[in-house]
Amino acid sequence: DAGVTQSPTHLIKTRGQQVTLRCSPKSGHDTVSWYQQALGQGPQFIFQYYEEEERQRGNFPDRFSGHQFPNYSSELNVNALLLGDSALYLCASSLGAGGLSYEQYFGPGTRLTVT
Amino acid sequence: GIQVEQSPPDLILQEGANSTLRCNFSDSVNNLQWFHQNPWGQLINLFYIPSGTKQNGRLSATTVATERYSLLYISSSQTTDSGVYFCAVENSGGYQKVTFGTGTKLQVIP
Repeated sequence: DAGVTQSPTHLIKTRGQQVTLRCSPKSGHDTVSWYQQALGQGPQFIFQYYEEEERQRGNFPDRFSGHQFPNYSSELNVNALLLGDSALYLCASSLGAGGLSYEQYFGPGTRLTVT
Repeated sequence: GIQVEQSPPDLILQEGANSTLRCNFSDSVNNLQWFHQNPWGQLINLFYIPSGTKQNGRLSATTVATERYSLLYISSSQTTDSGVYFCAVENSGGYQKVTFGTGTKLQVIP
């Protein structure tokens, strides 16, 4: 039973560039949530995708956007990168949408460094 | 928005000792989950526990939703228990965003 996978593992980008992160959910799951975790802090909710639509969104600017594909995998896009976007980006999947209505399982994360 | 505070923020234990971690939340919640984040950043599910008590080996958790807190018990701690423990909540009222707590950093020494 494959768990949640994310790619790439690490990424270095320059201010102003754009980045795309990818996530494949745990087998059988249909909902993907994205989180940003700055160093020394807890994860911050970015948004959740279900049925290829954004269902909930945290307090993140429009520079953060996403997409969910018919096979339930998801992408997180960040435009016009800022130094403050440097963080660990975590993807979580669940069987069903709505916050923690269903238990979430996390991937290993993508470490993004913006220079 | 809802505030989720965890205590203590840091904890050092001798191997074999027991500990209790606490998660307080400022508003009513629908659901609550406990995670262990290992030194490599992986978040590992411990308990999905909106209310009541659950046990899994050396770990157990209790959530008293009416009093707005949850407790995580670790017994006979091992060095592999080291890392950061987070609780995460979904507040009630139709606003289904997830909020993580401030975390407890645990170090278990031999």
